[in-house]
Amino acid sequence: SSELTQDPAVSVALGQTVRITCQGDSLRSDFASWYQQKPGQVPVLVIYGKDNRPSGIPDRFSGSRSGNTASLTITGAQAEDEADYYCNSRDTSGNQYVFGAGTKVTV
Amino acid sequence: EVQLVESGGGLVKPGGSLRLSCEASGFTFSNFGLNWVRLAPGKGLEWVSFISSSGNYIYFADSVKGRFTISRDNAKNSLYLQMNSLGAEDTAVYFCARDGLAVFGFLHHYYMDVWGKGTTVTVSS
Repeated sequence: SSELTQDPAVSVALGQTVRITCQGDSLRSDFASWYQQKPGQVPVLVIYGKDNRPSGIPDRFSGSRSGNTASLTITGAQAEDEADYYCNSRDTSGNQYVFGAGTKVTV
Repeated sequence: EVQLVESGGGLVKPGGSLRLSCEASGFTFSNFGLNWVRLAPGKGLEWVSFISSSGNYIYFADSVKGRFTISRDNAKNSLYLQMNSLGAEDTAVYFCARDGLAVFGFLHHYYMDVWGKGTTVTVSS
């Protein structure tokens, strides 16, 4: 299996923009999906594919990919965006999923 | 409403076994692959296992291979995880998650679009 590397933590001022990155070999051939998890709550899919948001996810969340790095950007961060964010993709074999270790976002 | 509801968690002694269930509603269960994902205390999300819509394809994380089995009953809209030889490292909240698919040209991109609320497994003597 392959690994996905995320920064452990990042902070952002209210209303500012923050970018969370995820690096891994699997991202050269697949997009990342991104999940938001708040303490004691269920993970929520916020971005998948090229830059796709599920219904109900605010448009301040966006995604991108370049080479082996995927990014999740929150433009105009809100207090309710404070959470752990995990990237995920199928590994290079296609037979396993792999999660990054998560990035704690503090607003 | 699309929903996944896990059950079967509890306290089990090291070396013991437990069977988790996940009951689905609100969508055509037999059309979707399903995953088990866990969150251990103080740790991050860890993918555990996948089963395809028909049950023909099954994958496991290296950490549980040989100890866990996954199965499904499409007639009962249910997913199962049989966990054997449990150790403290298996203590976690276990979520079932539906596999979504988006196609971008030749690229088939999979993601987890619907999650259950989870069931807690505690392995302790």
